[in-house]
Parts: sequence; C-alpha cells; structure tokens
Amino acid sequence: TQLLEQSPQFLSIQEGENLTVYCNSSSVFSSLQWYRQEPGEGPVLLVTVVTGGEVKKLKRLTFQFGDARKDSSLHITAAQTGDTGLYLCAGTQGGSEKLVFGKGTKLTVNP
Amino acid sequence: EAGVTQSPTHLIKTRGQQATLRCSPISGHTSVYWYQQALGLGLQFLLWYDEGEERNRGNFPPRFSGRQFPNYSSELNVNALELEDSALYLCASSLGETQYFGPGTRLLVL
Repeated sequence: TQLLEQSPQFLSIQEGENLTVYCNSSSVFSSLQWYRQEPGEGPVLLVTVVTGGEVKKLKRLTFQFGDARKDSSLHITAAQTGDTGLYLCAGTQGGSEKLVFGKGTKLTVNP
Repeated sequence: EAGVTQSPTHLIKTRGQQATLRCSPISGHTSVYWYQQALGLGLQFLLWYDEGEERNRGNFPPRFSGRQFPNYSSELNVNALELEDSALYLCASSLGETQYFGPGTRLLVL
C-alpha cells in the first residue's frame, strides 16, 4: 500500500494549458515537499509546506497543503515545455526525517 | 556551492557480485540518505546516516548496507546482487528537514 497516492500518474497537455496534480494520503504529515525530476537526474526540491491550509506560489506554480495535512496539490498555470518532468510529492511524519515518496506524476507539455 | 555528488554515474554488474556506490554531501551537511528508484516503484527509502551512525533503515534485506565516514561522505554496499536490484540509487544530504539530492548512480545487474 502506497502511503502517498499521486494522481494522475501521467498527464500530457499543450503549452499554455493549466493543470493540477494531486497528492493524497489517509495519514497526517508534519511536512510535505514537492520535487521535479528530469530523466537521468536526481529530484530537485520545488517547495516545502508545513502548515495546514498553507498556500505557496513559485512563479506559475501554486502549492497547497490541505487543512488536515493529509493532502496537497500543485497547480501550474500556462504550462511551458520546460515544465515537462516527473513531479514527486514526499512527506515526513512525526519526528522521523525519513521521506516517504509518492510514485509521481509524469507531465509532458507539448509545443 | 557544490551540490551532492555521486559516483560512479553508471555501474554494470552481474548477478552475485557486489556493488559499492559513493556519495559526497553538501559541505556542512551531516545527514546522508540513500534511496532506490526502481522502475514502477517510485523512490524507496534505504538508509539514513547522521554523524557517522545509522539512524534508520528502510524495508530492505541486510545485503544492503553502508557507512558514513568522518568527513560525512557515505558508501552504499549491495552484496549478492540480484536482477531486481537494477535501479537508480539516489543519495541526499540535509542539515535540517530539507533533503537535497544528487544525480544518482544507475546500477544495472545482468
């Protein structure tokens, strides 16, 4: 059983479209992080959210942490081809520093 | 500032052999984490080292082991390699809650 479920698993859209990807769990997380990973490289941290209901913006990317700290979403406005990649959410629980990862959403933005 | 570095970038082994993967953390980071990213399984936590000690271990057999050196660099050893050990092995370092990843070592077991 995957602790963090990400959806959709695959997403292919045209440049300029908006999209939202989701990260859901039945468990509470003390923090949630979003990463983007490109082929052959390690994940790169985009944002960390720690407070329930928190919203963070990073240019065209908007991240939200659910009120109950069990879920998160990533919204991209006016997607660009450079946004193509694997988007991973990961969370920490309690005092553990171990990161639990979802399987990711593979996003392809077509020109 | 240099990021997390890993070596080698690629490694090809045969079943039953041993593999050694290396990781150098960001300067000043004392914690090193190892993850396995196999096709279709996502990133799975392997090991966490901090200040030279193993602090936590994921659900992997004992043939996966490692150590952290006094300079905080780390090694991951995989003994008696099996075909399903083929994966991207990622190392991350941290000083607090945020983990920063290296580019990974791609291990292929034939």
